[in-house]
Amino acid sequence: DVKVTQSSRYLVKRTGEKVFLECVQDMDHENMFWYRQDPGLGLRLIYFSYDVKMKEKGDIPEGYSVSREKKERFSLILESASTNQTSMYLCASRSGRGGNEQFFGPGTRLTVL
Amino acid sequence: KNQVEQSPQSLIILEGKNCTLQCNYTVSPFSNLRWYKQDTGRGPVSLTIMTFSENTKSNGRYTATLDADTKQSSLHITASQLSDSASYICVSRGSASAGNMLTFGGGTRLMVKP
Repeated sequence: DVKVTQSSRYLVKRTGEKVFLECVQDMDHENMFWYRQDPGLGLRLIYFSYDVKMKEKGDIPEGYSVSREKKERFSLILESASTNQTSMYLCASRSGRGGNEQFFGPGTRLTVL
Repeated sequence: KNQVEQSPQSLIILEGKNCTLQCNYTVSPFSNLRWYKQDTGRGPVSLTIMTFSENTKSNGRYTATLDADTKQSSLHITASQLSDSASYICVSRGSASAGNMLTFGGGTRLMVKP
């Protein structure tokens, strides 16, 4: 079974704090993605990566950065958390070798006070 | 702009009843459409995937249909169970020429009551 794990299920941070969300996949997938999910808006792509040390902006990258130092790990960074970044964050991975399905992690519910 | 619209936003049904969820998309050029089930507090899990040449696909009590001409898809759940309570998300994928990008619908939240 493909397994995508995220470092925290729930996280509470204060405005201005630097926040790290970690995602690890165990299927040797080339592609990894970070989404945020808000009620009524669906999933929106923040950043994605096709390979180690490679990153591409998604639809809503402002206020976020990412890091992919190893193939299995993709980190989302909030340099200075703001209340409008309170959301559910979902990580996903997909094989680059003709793979189609994205496999999602359980999500991290982040609250910024 | 590529869009995926789902209806209804939420639905409550009694256990054992059938229901149908709708998805309209404007993604073009189109590659495939996938339905995900997302349990509360969990990530989405794929139920079915269909390309433009497929009209229907089943996965147990879940049956998805696709009309590529009208750009509509539906997910039919037969003999609902309490465990079907979840959000169902329709996702359309553009073709390789469109960057293989995914467009997500807002989801339908289904509650099955005993």
